[in-house]
Amino acid sequence: AAGVIQSPRHLIKEKRETATLKCYPIPRHDTVYWYQQGPGQDPQFLISFYEKMQSDKGSIPDRFSAQQFSDYHSELNMSSLELGDSALYFCASSLGENRVDEQYFGPGTRLTVT
Amino acid sequence: SQQGEEDPQALSIQEGENATMNCSYKTSINNLQWYRQNSGRGLVHLILIRSNEREKHSGRLRVTLDTSKKSSSLLITASRAADTASYFCATDAKADGLTFGKGTHLIIQP
Repeated sequence: AAGVIQSPRHLIKEKRETATLKCYPIPRHDTVYWYQQGPGQDPQFLISFYEKMQSDKGSIPDRFSAQQFSDYHSELNMSSLELGDSALYFCASSLGENRVDEQYFGPGTRLTVT
Repeated sequence: SQQGEEDPQALSIQEGENATMNCSYKTSINNLQWYRQNSGRGLVHLILIRSNEREKHSGRLRVTLDTSKKSSSLLITASRAADTASYFCATDAKADGLTFGKGTHLIIQP
């Protein structure tokens, strides 16, 4: 069965650069969630989208923005990167809004900021 | 302390023994989930228990939920070396996003 796809899987950027992470949800899933997991930390919810509209917002820095496109894939844009942005970024998808009980996680993108 | 704290933070046991991890949370929940994460890898959903359930089983996993104490436990029976991983509980305190705990790092000694 198709799973959540994230690209790239690994990304190395320098401070003050920008990065774009992509998430392709499971087919027919209309909700996407983004999480950030720092080294040795628990995953932190960043933001979610349902039917291309922002649904909920967590601890997403102002330097980050995200959107969901008409094909339901989502992109997380990160600007003015800081060393502390180095983390594993997970995307999850679900069918329907407020379905925290049915989130399927992708493999994550490991971002390293040097 | 934060929502969804795991206890202990690290646990090392011998293969074949049972491993018990605990999670406490602060707010009311609709459900609580347990996830597993191998080192630096993705999150794998293990089991979900709803607020009106007290115990749930899945293979070698047993999860309990005590809403009066706002706590949950994950028991892995007959542990195997392949069970070595970090285990997180997650609650649905937010409308859409899960709130994860700090995780328990489980090491199974062969």
